[in-house]
Amino acid sequence: DAGVTQSPTHLIKTRGQHVTLRCSPISGHKSVSWYQQVLGQGPQFIFQYYEKEERGRGNFPDRFSARQFPNYSSELNVNALLLGDSALYLCASSLGDSLSGNTIYFGEGSWLTVV
Amino acid sequence: AQSVTQPDIHITVSEGASLELRCNYSYGATPYLFWYVQSPGQGLQLLLKYFSGDTLVQGIKGFEAEFKRSQSSFNLRKPSVHWSDAAEYFCAVHSGGGADGLTFGKGTHLIIQP
Repeated sequence: DAGVTQSPTHLIKTRGQHVTLRCSPISGHKSVSWYQQVLGQGPQFIFQYYEKEERGRGNFPDRFSARQFPNYSSELNVNALLLGDSALYLCASSLGDSLSGNTIYFGEGSWLTVV
Repeated sequence: AQSVTQPDIHITVSEGASLELRCNYSYGATPYLFWYVQSPGQGLQLLLKYFSGDTLVQGIKGFEAEFKRSQSSFNLRKPSVHWSDAAEYFCAVHSGGGADGLTFGKGTHLIIQP
C-alpha cells in the first residue's frame, strides 16, 4: 500500500510569491494534518482537516491556508512568501479526527526554499 | 498548553553500546506520547507510541520506551545500537483531541561511533 505522498518534493520560490503543496493520505485515512519543520527544529503543527473540514489550527498567520478534497487529499497554500517560510512541509494522515488508538503517519515532505 | 523537552541536542554512542534518549513533557492530563525518527532529508517514521496500559512500550527496530507519570518522562532506549540508527529522534505529545496536532520536541541528533 502507498504511504502518504507529497508533491512537489523540492521547490524554490521568490519572496512575495504564492505556493501550493499537495498531499495524498494513506488509502482509507480521512484526516490530514500539515506541519512545518524549520531546519534544526522539530515540526510545528499548522492545520488538521477531517472530512473536508478544518478541525484544528496552529499558531500560523493567515497567509497559510489549506483545504481537503472529497477524495481526502489536501492542499496547503502559502501567500506572500517570506524568507522565514523556507522549511520542510510535512503532511500526515490518520484514520479519524482524534487519536483514540489511531496513529499519525507522515510523508517525506516538500522542501520549500524562499529566495 | 502542552510542551516537550528533549534536553540533549546531540548524543554520541559507540556501535553496540546501549542508548537512552530523554524526553520530558508538560501536559495536564495523561497524554498520548510518541517517538519518531527522521533520517537526513526524509520524513518522520513512527518508532513507538503510548496511549494507555503497560508503561513499557515496545517499538520497531528494537527500541522501547517507558512512560513515567511521576517524572513526566517518556525516555527512549535501545540495548545495542547499530550504525544505521544514526538519525534525528523526536519525542511528541498529543492531547488525543480532534483539534490538536502533535507537539514535538526540538529533537536529539544521534551520532554512532564505529
